[in-house]
Amino acid sequence: SQQGEEDPQALSIQEGENATMNCSYKTSINNLQWYRQNSGRGLVHLILIRSNEREKHSGRLRVTLDTSKKSSSLLITASRAADTASYFCATHTSGTYKYIFGTGTRLKVLA
Amino acid sequence: DAGVIQSPRHEVTEMGQEVTLRCKPISGHDYLFWYRQTMMRGLELLIYFNNNVPIDDSGMPEDRFSAKMPNASFSTLKIQPSEPRDSAVYFCASSPTLSDVASNEQFFGPGTRLTVL
Repeated sequence: SQQGEEDPQALSIQEGENATMNCSYKTSINNLQWYRQNSGRGLVHLILIRSNEREKHSGRLRVTLDTSKKSSSLLITASRAADTASYFCATHTSGTYKYIFGTGTRLKVLA
Repeated sequence: DAGVIQSPRHEVTEMGQEVTLRCKPISGHDYLFWYRQTMMRGLELLIYFNNNVPIDDSGMPEDRFSAKMPNASFSTLKIQPSEPRDSAVYFCASSPTLSDVASNEQFFGPGTRLTVL
């Protein structure tokens, strides 16, 4: 069953704009990761945020985590056409060694 | 390192045939995961191994599916007999370690697109 639900399912923006994707999950987590998947390719890890962290940055990426609301957001600033991809959140629960992936957000950045 | 290697990249077969998907994880990685991706169900974890031992196969849909990891550098996912509803992209991923302090990054292969007619 799906742990994470991304919102929106699809997003289309102009190059240079910011893109925000949200992930909601159901159970308590140890950490949460974001992955990117280009069409026809495997997933690529972007960033990890732990349950005791509230915000992390990596380049043009900013991730927030609100454990009280069981939600996370991924912000991509100054988007580029190359950012066009699907983005997934993946949650990890203590006591297991597996990640549960969400349903994904399809981002399209128009040049 | 070449990354996670999967073969074949594409497989078209007829219902009832046996299908074997192959994966070579990144050298030194302790964990290996098999996922299935479809439009309807998204990315599902089928099974994962730690040091070649299957740890959790609760995601394997039914007895027609089996996975093995005979050594640290090779794993197979077998479907016998295959059915049209097995059509999907199957991903293999590996991870060096999983802990509260590690990066826990999974490295995905390019996937095998399976079509069962």
